[in-house]
Amino acid sequence: DTAVSQTPKYLVTQMGNDKSIKCEQNLGHDTMYWYKQDSKKFLKIMFSYNNKELIINETVPNRFSPKSPDKAHLNLHINSLELGDSAVYFCASSQDPGVPNEKLFFGSGTQLSVL
Amino acid sequence: AQSVTQLGSHVSVSEGALVLLRCNYSSSVPPYLFWYVQYPNQGLQLLLKYTTGATLVKGINGFEAEFKKSETSFHLTKPSAHMSDAAEYFCAVRASQGAQKLVFGQGTRLTINP
Repeated sequence: DTAVSQTPKYLVTQMGNDKSIKCEQNLGHDTMYWYKQDSKKFLKIMFSYNNKELIINETVPNRFSPKSPDKAHLNLHINSLELGDSAVYFCASSQDPGVPNEKLFFGSGTQLSVL
Repeated sequence: AQSVTQLGSHVSVSEGALVLLRCNYSSSVPPYLFWYVQYPNQGLQLLLKYTTGATLVKGINGFEAEFKKSETSFHLTKPSAHMSDAAEYFCAVRASQGAQKLVFGQGTRLTINP
């Protein structure tokens, strides 16, 4: 069983569209994250939720809205897609965000291409 | 605030040669340091981490890293490269107090030549 799974794996869409990426973890973790990896492989955190509560919200356009229906799911909805949103988006989870040496478990990524 | 700099976006070594991937960090508090590996079309996996105690940390697949506070470095090494080591490697830092986010370096692509 995949620990952190995200769908779709590839997403190609036109500018201005709205799209969602789904993420689910079966590890029983309390905390989930969204990271964005740009074309230069730079990986930066976007959001973090702990037990459905937002705990990290980096400087991300408000076109990006995370939604956590329960602690096993963290979906990312993007409105009015722009060319600059093209990237690989990674979902991740960890047990306790208050433990600094905790390891993150990553999904395999969603490659978003905005045309 | 924490930051990480990985020297060299691309490193190429021959199979059997020493692998050295460089990472320097900046942190105003004692850091926790990590190396993650990303194989093609996969998510990141933890290779090893430094928290406290022994400064030489051993990880999976024969990799190890040494925390050097005086040099603010956490370089990753492997004595003998294997073809399967070809991947993207990310160094990351997290503050030991108060901060919950992991800050990544820009990654180093490791290529292994036969």
